[in-house]
Amino acid sequence: SQKIEQNSEALNIQEGKTATLTCNYTNYSPAYLQWYRQDPGRGPVFLLLIRENEKEKRKERLKVTFDTTLKQSLFHITASQPADSATYLCALDDRYDKVIFGPGTSLSVIP
Amino acid sequence: NAGVTQTPKFRVLKTGQSMTLLCAQDMNHEYMYWYRQDPGMGLRLIHYSVGEGTTAKGEVPDGYNVSRLKKQNFLLGLESAAPSQTSVYFCASSFLDYGYTFGSGTRLTVV
Repeated sequence: SQKIEQNSEALNIQEGKTATLTCNYTNYSPAYLQWYRQDPGRGPVFLLLIRENEKEKRKERLKVTFDTTLKQSLFHITASQPADSATYLCALDDRYDKVIFGPGTSLSVIP
Repeated sequence: NAGVTQTPKFRVLKTGQSMTLLCAQDMNHEYMYWYRQDPGMGLRLIHYSVGEGTTAKGEVPDGYNVSRLKKQNFLLGLESAAPSQTSVYFCASSFLDYGYTFGSGTRLTVV
């Protein structure tokens, strides 16, 4: 069956460290993968998109990698700050006009 | 530039009542989506539309209907509300394979 998995446990890291979140998928062949941030009581906010022919993409303190052989994406936040605390969602396209979202990973950055 | 606007923000329904959730976007996006988000279940797609006058079923369409009579509006209807439809509902829109823009959500409680 098709499945998207993210870090099963909440992630707690110290301010200034790099946070690394994982997204693994099975039985999908996405053309691209997206990452979103969601704060409590708010809708998700789009952060980055990476295509199947791209290995890595960066935006300010964010870096995303995409390994279609391992069927995995890694999402890194460098020099993390308490304001980065949120739930992060990965989403991949199913090649049928829509994306499927993973369950999300809760990140807490401790001052 | 409002982005995606959802109305209402909160609603309490009695079992068996009907209601319509309205989603409006001002970005001229072709694609629009309705998701529900429940604790531990992540975002699940209810229905979506790839253009004015079109609709398609998502992962959890039962008990819901949709209409896209105008490009900027996507309506989600509950004909006979059930307690299982208690959830937070998010509308989103997108342009091709760019990131989704989400509304702020509608919190619906069915008693």
